[in-house]
Amino acid sequence: AQSVTQPDIHITVSEGASLELRCNYSYGATPYLFWYVQSPGQGLQLLLKYFSGDTLVQGIKGFEAEFKRSQSSFNLRKPSVHWSDAAEYFCAVGSAGRRALTFGSGTRLQVQP
Amino acid sequence: DAGVTQSPTHLIKTRGQQVTLRCSPKSGHDTVSWYQQALGQGPQFIFQYYEEEERQRGNFPDRFSGHQFPNYSSELNVNALLLGDSALYLCASSFLPGDLNQPQHFGDGTRLSIL
Repeated sequence: AQSVTQPDIHITVSEGASLELRCNYSYGATPYLFWYVQSPGQGLQLLLKYFSGDTLVQGIKGFEAEFKRSQSSFNLRKPSVHWSDAAEYFCAVGSAGRRALTFGSGTRLQVQP
Repeated sequence: DAGVTQSPTHLIKTRGQQVTLRCSPKSGHDTVSWYQQALGQGPQFIFQYYEEEERQRGNFPDRFSGHQFPNYSSELNVNALLLGDSALYLCASSFLPGDLNQPQHFGDGTRLSIL
């Protein structure tokens, strides 16, 4: 069975600082990997996805993520955080032929002025 | 172009009651998935509908059922509500099931509270 672990429940960074959110997955074959963001009271917005090819993936809002097969990781990064980035971030994994995504429990990002 | 719309936004029910949640997919999408998101947790897959049939189901009891209409909209029904059913219910739509290259678009959810 596939699973996703986001080891950091809550992260606080200063505005303008760099950010890295961790995601580890468990899946036997090549996974489909996603990062979503959720603002309070809202649904999920897709930031980026990885299926194959270049292991460094660019997304919206200046985010990027790197797929590392040897570490079973798909960490999300941003070089300079803005106050509007404060939200909950979810990593998710899917697989070819399955129709559902498996989500991690999320990381809440707080941005200090 | 309207995205995924869900109704109602909020709902309060008591234990043992039944509830129906509704979802209209994004224009051009034909597949609807439902997720349950408990407080402080990530979304959990309930089931997916395509061509008016349930195509895949997550680990949820039969109290959770659904329907998809010819216009691709969908309903989620929950019977015999339990306190543990309190959650944000998210609907996601996409084009073609099983093709994860097609991104899922999520609605803002229905917040269900059970008293």
